[in-house]
Amino acid sequence: EADIYQTPRYLVIGTGKKITLECSQTMGHDKMYWYQQDPGMELHLIHYSYGVNSTEKGDLSSESTVSRIRTEHFPLTLESARPSHTSQYLCASSDGRGSTEAFFGQGTRLTVV
Amino acid sequence: AQRVTQPEKLLSVFKGAPVELKCNYSYSGSPELFWYVQYSRQRLQLLLRHISRESIKGFTADLNKGETSFHLKKPFAQEEDSAMYYCALTRAAGNKLTFGGGTRVLVKP
Repeated sequence: EADIYQTPRYLVIGTGKKITLECSQTMGHDKMYWYQQDPGMELHLIHYSYGVNSTEKGDLSSESTVSRIRTEHFPLTLESARPSHTSQYLCASSDGRGSTEAFFGQGTRLTVV
Repeated sequence: AQRVTQPEKLLSVFKGAPVELKCNYSYSGSPELFWYVQYSRQRLQLLLRHISRESIKGFTADLNKGETSFHLKKPFAQEEDSAMYYCALTRAAGNKLTFGGGTRVLVKP
């Protein structure tokens, strides 16, 4: 079934650890996005990709990095987690060909202690 | 820069009452406007978009370019409408969405 998957759903990790949040989609979409959302607040675009080997920073500055080696995979990495990184991270994708609808994953709630 | 503002953080209405969620935007070009909804324990999903001019689950939204608004309306709210609603904007033919802060709707029985 075509879908977009994020793992893990919840992550509690200590300061200084390196973490990777996974995002995969089986929808055949070229465009993928990472949004950050604090509780009750708006979603902020932190990274996006329009295809393989294409990544751009979003509107909100983030210390995280992303890669797009395969069309279906768009992982987000934090080299050294800090409490200020505690947030919810949402991955999304869209095909961008005539449709601007974005499809979202379930999200990863990250807590850095 | 594009910006979306949802002035109400919380709207509480009784079942059967009308509900209107306000959304104002600032963008110098030709925008596409959307409403996304997140029900409890579910992922964020598209509710409707202005170019479709359709009614989804009884909701409608009209783009008013003069007032730069895209308010979401439903004449008779139902309990299952309780959710978080986000207004979003992208430039025409673009895909990067700019979201508002969201409005939580609580429909009381």
